[in-house]
Amino acid sequence: DQQVKQNSPSLSVQEGRISILNCDYTNSMFDYFLWYKKYPAEGPTFLISISSIKDKNEDGRFTVFLNKSAKHLSLHIVPSQPGDSAVYFCAAAGWDAGNMLTFGGGTRLMVKP
Amino acid sequence: DTGVSQDPRHKITKRGQNVTFRCDPISEHNRLYWYRQTLGQGPEFLTYFQNEAQLEKSRLLSDRFSAERPKGSFSTLEIQRTEQGDSAMYLCASSEGVGETQYFGPGTRLLVL
Repeated sequence: DQQVKQNSPSLSVQEGRISILNCDYTNSMFDYFLWYKKYPAEGPTFLISISSIKDKNEDGRFTVFLNKSAKHLSLHIVPSQPGDSAVYFCAAAGWDAGNMLTFGGGTRLMVKP
Repeated sequence: DTGVSQDPRHKITKRGQNVTFRCDPISEHNRLYWYRQTLGQGPEFLTYFQNEAQLEKSRLLSDRFSAERPKGSFSTLEIQRTEQGDSAMYLCASSEGVGETQYFGPGTRLLVL
């Protein structure tokens, strides 16, 4: 039973445009969410996080939105750059689970010049 | 400090052999996590340590797997009698504590022939 789902395995965007990556979760005990970026043959790199007390968090070109009632979060990248091309994973954690992360299956983002 | 390091980066072994991986966390991070990632999937939690104490183990961690963190610094993950299904990327992460961001190492890619 997948508790965190990323329903789009891939996304292609033109350079300079907005990239929107989506993530859904089912476990209502999750209260901390993160996005990681992963290049081939490397470990995941932390991008941005949000706790359940917020509905938005920004860091430069990256913004994460959380809709708790819909159990949905999204990552917006504006403007998209070719160097953003990678696999993006959303992850969720609950405070009562030692903060072990539950990951989605990933979305491969391709930003075309 | 350059981040989380893992050794070796790649390991090829024959079925039935034992393998051991090492993880060195970021200095003074008292939490250390092990995850496993197979092709096309997101990382899956295996186990974590608070200092030298192993606090949680996933049901994915069969009896053939053992992890240690003897002095609360580096950790080892051993797989005994490897099987082809153990082929995966083994990722280590560390954090300062509960609720803090987990930072990942580059991973050890295991191939069992």
